[in-house]
Amino acid sequence: ILNVEQSPQSLHVQEGDSTNFTCSFPSSNFYALHWYRWETAKSPEALFVMTLNGDEKKKGRISATLNTKEGYSYLYIKGSQPEDSATYLCARGGPSNTGKLIFGQGTTLQVKP
Amino acid sequence: NAGVTQTPKFQVLKTGQSMTLQCAQDMNHEYMSWYRQDPGMGLRLIHYSVGAGITDQGEVPNGYNVSRSTTEDFPLRLLSAAPSQTSVYFCASSYGGTYNSPLHFGNGTRLTVT
Repeated sequence: ILNVEQSPQSLHVQEGDSTNFTCSFPSSNFYALHWYRWETAKSPEALFVMTLNGDEKKKGRISATLNTKEGYSYLYIKGSQPEDSATYLCARGGPSNTGKLIFGQGTTLQVKP
Repeated sequence: NAGVTQTPKFQVLKTGQSMTLQCAQDMNHEYMSWYRQDPGMGLRLIHYSVGAGITDQGEVPNGYNVSRSTTEDFPLRLLSAAPSQTSVYFCASSYGGTYNSPLHFGNGTRLTVT
């Protein structure tokens, strides 16, 4: 099992603040990294799938970067809004290209109006 | 498209009982998987399938069986329920492998074993 670790475990910010979270993973034999957003009482929804070192993805105010050599990915939220409140999960794929992901424990974000 | 549909949404079992959690997808996805989510832990993979007739074990397969007779359906069977299987179960599907395809999740089944 390839451990995926996320930090911080939880985060409270004010509306309008920008914030970021970290996902760490073993850098050897990297294949793919996924980010998901999970709102309370709903199911996880995909944000990004990243595969290349130096990859950057963006979706509205949310963006992510990937460093496969040092084994980390950052998720950034610019100008947080209350609707951004959710748990953000990262997951590592591989070694075979299946539907198999190893998830971190998540970072729970609470945005106060 | 309904996406990924899980039934039931809630279930209470007594220790030793068996049951099947249903999962169906209408997106013609080849890849399907089952995860469980427990407090303080991330989603953990139980079983997965890369196509009809092909299944494999994940991180925590003990006590569960799966089969994939069609592309659309991927049921999860609890053989003899134990309190340790109290959890929220998520079924997921993707059109390709995880190198390039995100997972689409169902709404989950909350199972309590007493």
